[in-house]
Amino acid sequence: NAGVTQTPKFRVLKTGQSMTLLCAQDMNHEYMYWYRQDPGMGLRLIHYSVGEGTTAKGEVPDGYNVSRLKKQNFLLGLESAAPSQTSVYFCASSQRGGENTGELFFGEGSRLTVL
Amino acid sequence: RKEVEQDPGPFNVPEGATVAFNCTYSNSASQSFFWYRQDCRKEPKLLMSVYSSGNEDGRFTAQLNRASQYISLLIRDSKLSDSATYLCVVNMINDYKLSFGAGTTVTVRA
Repeated sequence: NAGVTQTPKFRVLKTGQSMTLLCAQDMNHEYMYWYRQDPGMGLRLIHYSVGEGTTAKGEVPDGYNVSRLKKQNFLLGLESAAPSQTSVYFCASSQRGGENTGELFFGEGSRLTVL
Repeated sequence: RKEVEQDPGPFNVPEGATVAFNCTYSNSASQSFFWYRQDCRKEPKLLMSVYSSGNEDGRFTAQLNRASQYISLLIRDSKLSDSATYLCVVNMINDYKLSFGAGTTVTVRA
């Protein structure tokens, strides 16, 4: 049972470098999300998608871009990494969305350090 | 004011003890409520949903108090394996954004 898989698990970047985090889910979920988790703060939504070909901004979208070209994949891109983007990133998916969002299924997380 | 606030703890309890903690939410339009469990350096996983009438799942009991805008989680007969951070999660009507609390850390000692 793969569920939600994120790659890479760890990455160290220098300021200004770019990178892409890949999220893949095998549960045929329509809804996918990217969160970041920082010490002392709850998970914060970066971007989300309600279906293939759609994306929307969450509460902290600046400095990130996303794409959902295939239903099972949700990519998070950092065009020019900044130290403030040092965080643990979690991808999640759900069968339902909006006010009916039930269980979120999370990937194992990607730890990103920007020097 | 944060949308969801939790006492960070840590709550250090001996095995077999009962531990309870609350989570307050700021938006009265909140519709759905959940408790997630997150082990150290792992991903969050759903522990239980919180229903208006309150609900139990084994040793875990969740309650919702809409008037005072808080939910609670009670763990009876604590086990070492209950040591984790418990995240309070709230969903509002017509909103795709689940609001997460920063978590309450529970450590159960032998």
